[in-house]
Amino acid sequence: ELKVEQNPLFLSMQEGKNYTIYCNYSTTSDRLYWYRQDPGKSLESLFVLLSNGAVKQEGRLMASLDTKARLSTLHITAAVHDLSATYFCAVVFGNEKLTFGTGTRLTIIP
Amino acid sequence: DTAVSQTPKYLVTQMGNDKSIKCEQNLGHDTMYWYKQDSKKFLKIMFSYNNKELIINETVPNRFSPKSPDKAHLNLHINSLELGDSAVYFCASSQWDRDYGYTFGSGTRLTVV
Repeated sequence: ELKVEQNPLFLSMQEGKNYTIYCNYSTTSDRLYWYRQDPGKSLESLFVLLSNGAVKQEGRLMASLDTKARLSTLHITAAVHDLSATYFCAVVFGNEKLTFGTGTRLTIIP
Repeated sequence: DTAVSQTPKYLVTQMGNDKSIKCEQNLGHDTMYWYKQDSKKFLKIMFSYNNKELIINETVPNRFSPKSPDKAHLNLHINSLELGDSAVYFCASSQWDRDYGYTFGSGTRLTVV
């Protein structure tokens, strides 16, 4: 069964701190995406990771992919309030089936 | 110049009614999808069409019927609506077997009363 699991599901962190969200998936894939969703909004693409060892950074967010471990991480550096949102990882399986993780609801506290 | 547009944005209807949600993309993508996001924010794929051909049909009640008149449009018709159908439905598109990513519409919030 295809599974994409994220942890933690909920994360409350103080501004200025660092933290990492983890995404594990059950079946081989070489394409992984990270999305951000604000309340009541659509999904905004953050990163596309296409190969083992891929690392991408945008501002305070950095994503990496280890296809052998079937693990991706989203690292947040020196969090700011604007980063409060729900973050999803999603993995492509056969037939272009994009399967989402459970989501991590991130709240940044001043 | 919305890339993936859905209508309506909000839909409130009574149990037992039939309703449709429309989706159009102007990105030239050849694959379109419907996703359902439940109250716990979990996103699950429902259907996928590639060049008007159904390629993914997840375990969805047959009250849900997608229709793709051309590769730029994918509509979702729902018969005999039930309370459990209340959710946000997202349309998305991608280019088959390319790494350009998936683009999502703004969502349709369906409330069945």
